[in-house]
Amino acid sequence: RKEVEQDPGPFNVPEGATVAFNCTYSNSASQSFFWYRQDCRKEPKLLMSVYSSGNEDGRFTAQLNRASQYISLLIRDSKLSDSATYLCVVNMFPSGGYNKLIFGAGTRLAVHP
Amino acid sequence: DAGVIQSPRHEVTEMGQEVTLRCKPISGHDYLFWYRQTMMRGLELLIYFNNNVPIDDSGMPEDRFSAKMPNASFSTLKIQPSEPRDSAVYFCASSLEQGSNQPQHFGDGTRLSIL
Repeated sequence: RKEVEQDPGPFNVPEGATVAFNCTYSNSASQSFFWYRQDCRKEPKLLMSVYSSGNEDGRFTAQLNRASQYISLLIRDSKLSDSATYLCVVNMFPSGGYNKLIFGAGTRLAVHP
Repeated sequence: DAGVIQSPRHEVTEMGQEVTLRCKPISGHDYLFWYRQTMMRGLELLIYFNNNVPIDDSGMPEDRFSAKMPNASFSTLKIQPSEPRDSAVYFCASSLEQGSNQPQHFGDGTRLSIL
């Protein structure tokens, strides 16, 4: 089983739609969680951290369910510029407590007019 | 502020040749990471350094791959000899100290093609 699993998509949605991505992780000891965004032929960039109580940043809402080892990202009122691949990322702490990120394979989103 | 700087941006070479990828992390960042990204395997961590010391190289695929960080502002990833299956995008990233919510900042990547 992969350490971080995501639906690869693609999700094809019209502008203005609400879309949700899901992610599961295998290591219950994982400490922190993120969503990164990667545009075509570009580097990954941090979109937002995911906090236990859930958090929102404008049109983006992230949720964490530690019991189910499940993370989600909700995008409301989709824009053309939201088209990208969204990477679910889990911070693991191997011995020594170093900052090791495990990336999911990504979910591709295509927003069309 | 300057981000993570990688060079070259693109590299095309014949199999068997030595390839050297370079990275300059963000000033003040204690961690440096080398990743490889392919369509088949996604983004894979190859190795990471803390304060110039290699901490975890378990992701390095084989002995043909080696990485060094001679000082806080420079790292190299070397492949010798290169093979066609090494073709991928190689990213370097850096982050601040080990706080659990520290994001990693990625360079633009090096697109490597081995013919």
